[in-house]
Amino acid sequence: DIVLTQSPGTLSLSPGERVTLSCRASQSVSSSFLAWYQQKPGQAPRLLIYGVSSRATGIPDRFSGSGSGTDFTLTISRLEPEDFAVYYCQQYYSSPRTFGQGTKLEIK
Amino acid sequence: QVQLQQSGPGLVKPSETLTLTCSVFGDSMTSSNWWSWVRQTPGKGLEWIGEIFYTGDTNFNPSLKGRVTLSMDKSQNQFSLQMTSLTAADTAVYYCARTSNLVPTGFESWGQGTLVAVSS
Repeated sequence: DIVLTQSPGTLSLSPGERVTLSCRASQSVSSSFLAWYQQKPGQAPRLLIYGVSSRATGIPDRFSGSGSGTDFTLTISRLEPEDFAVYYCQQYYSSPRTFGQGTKLEIK
Repeated sequence: QVQLQQSGPGLVKPSETLTLTCSVFGDSMTSSNWWSWVRQTPGKGLEWIGEIFYTGDTNFNPSLKGRVTLSMDKSQNQFSLQMTSLTAADTAVYYCARTSNLVPTGFESWGQGTLVAVSS
């Protein structure tokens, strides 16, 4: 299985700040089959980014993804109050599909 | 826009079988999409259970050791998860989700989630 390790576990930030979240894979995620999700309490995850860097429908352009191979990042250029949530990376290159353990963004 | 509506019990006894159903609105089960189940626990996080294609092709997470069956009813536009021999470790929020087969996107649509507790 491809293990995805996200860092840091928790980030305390203020609205307006820029943030970069990390996701490292135990093996290369070829074909760029790497996605990012946002999850708020009591809700299902929401797809933000797929194919490493493509924004899903309706996702604001302050969200961007980058990376290749085993190292990937999600950047939020300017945090809005609604962005404070948990973020997960996920690979769909190989089976079983696997998720990272999540990074929680909390308001400072 | 596709909507996934889940149904099923919130409480199941140990050793019994869980059956959850996901009804699809705004899309056809015969479209080029994979229909998946994912579960979430505080301890293990998000775990992919398996997926089914309209042809009946399936893929499963080996960690569930053959306890899972996926099926679909094209006439009702819904698909189902059956998980046998439940234990407390299967207590989780279960989600159904859709993945495109044409443009690989990850899980682009999700059901609302069903909290399933395994307890006597």
